[in-house]
Formats: sequence, C-alpha cells, structure tokens
Amino acid sequence: AQRVTQPEKLLSVFKGAPVELKCNYSYSGSPELFWYVQYSRQRLQLLLRHISRESIKGFTADLNKGETSFHLKKPFAQEEDSAMYYCALKGAETSGSRLTFGEGTQLTVNP
Amino acid sequence: EPEVTQTPSHQVTQMGQEVILRCVPISNHLYFYWYRQILGQKVEFLVSFYNNEISEKSEIFDDQFSVERPDGSNFTLKIRSTKLEDSAMYFCASRTDNYEQYFGPGTRLTVT
Repeated sequence: AQRVTQPEKLLSVFKGAPVELKCNYSYSGSPELFWYVQYSRQRLQLLLRHISRESIKGFTADLNKGETSFHLKKPFAQEEDSAMYYCALKGAETSGSRLTFGEGTQLTVNP
Repeated sequence: EPEVTQTPSHQVTQMGQEVILRCVPISNHLYFYWYRQILGQKVEFLVSFYNNEISEKSEIFDDQFSVERPDGSNFTLKIRSTKLEDSAMYFCASRTDNYEQYFGPGTRLTVT
C-alpha cells in the first residue's frame, strides 16, 4: 500500500521567512514523488518532481529515502506563494500511474 | 497553452439519479484519469484509462461507476445511482508518455 502524510493542515509565515512544508511517505518500492500546488480558484498544477531535481519558483524538494520524506522548502517566502500544496506519490509498479495524494497544507504568507 | 476542460462546473442531482461528468483531455494525451475530493479530505484516485480500457481502478470505483471515451475528445465518468456520499469535487486529468498529469478545474457534484 502507498500512503502520503502531510502533518500540517495549515502553515502561516511572514513574507521573507523560510518555509518548509513537510511530506512523509510509505511505499515498499521505488516511488516517484511530486509536489502539486493549487492557487485560489485555480486547478491543481505540478510544481516539481523529485527526479528532475529542479527549482521552481524558488522551491526545492529533496527525496530522503532513509527518512521517507520529500519536504518542500523555500528560503524566502513571497505573498504569491499562498496556496494549497499537495505532496503526491506514484509507485513504480502501478500500471496506470495513479497518484496518491497527501491531505494538503494550506500555506499563508503574510505581508 | 492547452488545458483539460470539465463540464459542468457544478452539478446538483437527487439521490438515486444517474449523473455523467464530462472531460475533454488535452488533445495529444494518451492516459486519462478521474480523481475525487470529498470536502475537507484528500484527493483520491478513482480510475485510469488507456488505449480504450481501464488500466487501474481503486476500491472506490465500484459497479456504480463507469468511464467511457465515446469519441476522440471526450472522457466521461458516469455514476449510475448517486448516493449522498458521492458528493465531492471530481477532477479529470490527462498526460502523454511523460510523467506530468494535467488536471482539469473540477466538477462539484452535490447529491441531495
């Protein structure tokens, strides 16, 4: 079974402060991990995936297989980062490439 | 930029009625998905569809649910006899051979 846990439903930081959104997963094989973002009244969109190892909008995430974590980080949060963030996992063995989502973290960046 | 579209944006139906949710995936995409999100809960996978057949489905996707790609563009989710607990936001997604699933804006289904 595959599971994704995001322990914080709500996270509030001030503009310019560092932010870390936590994600832990449970999967017996080799997972692919993703972060999706949903801005207010918009659709879910891919923010980044662990395989690409890129930084998008200043966000980075490193897959830590030892701790089974894929935390999302940004050194200096901006007000436009306020959104709902979902961590998602795709198991390598699933034929249909289903995504398993975490509960989501609502990030609010205050001015 | 092409987008996945879904209609209607909001559907209200009575318990026991059949409902069809429609999606138009991005035109060159090959893999199609339905997810749902009950209010306050996580996004849950329902079904994936490739080459005109279901490739994977979750335990939620029981006999009351079916999917179809009736023509070259639409991808539909049918719920035969809706229950109160089917009330949720339903998201369609599609992708090409690469990894990224592109999501539609969702259809809010309210069962009364």
